[in-house]
Amino acid sequence: GAVVSQHPSWVICKSGTSVKIECRSLDFQATTMFWYRQFPKQSLMLMATSNEGSKATYEQGVEKDKFLINHASLTLSTLTVTSAHPEDSSFYICSASGDREETEELFFGSGTQLSVL
Amino acid sequence: GQQLNQSPQSMFIQEGEDVSMNCTSSSIFNTWLWYKQDPGEGPVLLIALYKAGELTSNGRLTAQFGITRKDSFLNISASIPSDVGIYFCAGQETSGSRLTFGEGTQLTVNP
Repeated sequence: GAVVSQHPSWVICKSGTSVKIECRSLDFQATTMFWYRQFPKQSLMLMATSNEGSKATYEQGVEKDKFLINHASLTLSTLTVTSAHPEDSSFYICSASGDREETEELFFGSGTQLSVL
Repeated sequence: GQQLNQSPQSMFIQEGEDVSMNCTSSSIFNTWLWYKQDPGEGPVLLIALYKAGELTSNGRLTAQFGITRKDSFLNISASIPSDVGIYFCAGQETSGSRLTFGEGTQLTVNP
């Protein structure tokens, strides 16, 4: 299947700092990438949808100035958590769809565990 | 917005038993997907369903796309310890569009 790579796998940072998470499609061009957030023992919650070359569309209740999304190329999208606080600690997951038929299923990255101290 | 109700929330079974879980929706989806998630990992696709009434198998897994397009079930036969994890259903309105996830089913398999 299509491969989506997400880095880093985990990150620990101090409160007030910013953290960048990368999501790459390795063997296809991702015209759309999705960013999810997942708390322990809960389902995935969509944060935003990003289309290559345009501004991301954020879900209701997600602060766009807090969670900056950049999708500047067809193989890379980044999520930056700005001025992170402990309540931002969570598991962040990206997924991508693109120009391969099998990516209709939206393959996922391996996730990033963010811990803000 | 759309919601998917997934049940059961958790299951504790013995190795070798069969498992069934299902999802229902308040609205229609054109694609139903089933994922498995291990701790600290992203979801991994198990089965994708594209047509109402479709029954698809992947090894010991079988899933069906409900005829009304508002439900789907996943069966796991002869469970083994490595089946442990959280299983999510997801609905998709159109190809490549956002997914709506169920709440997940936590499966525990006792050897």
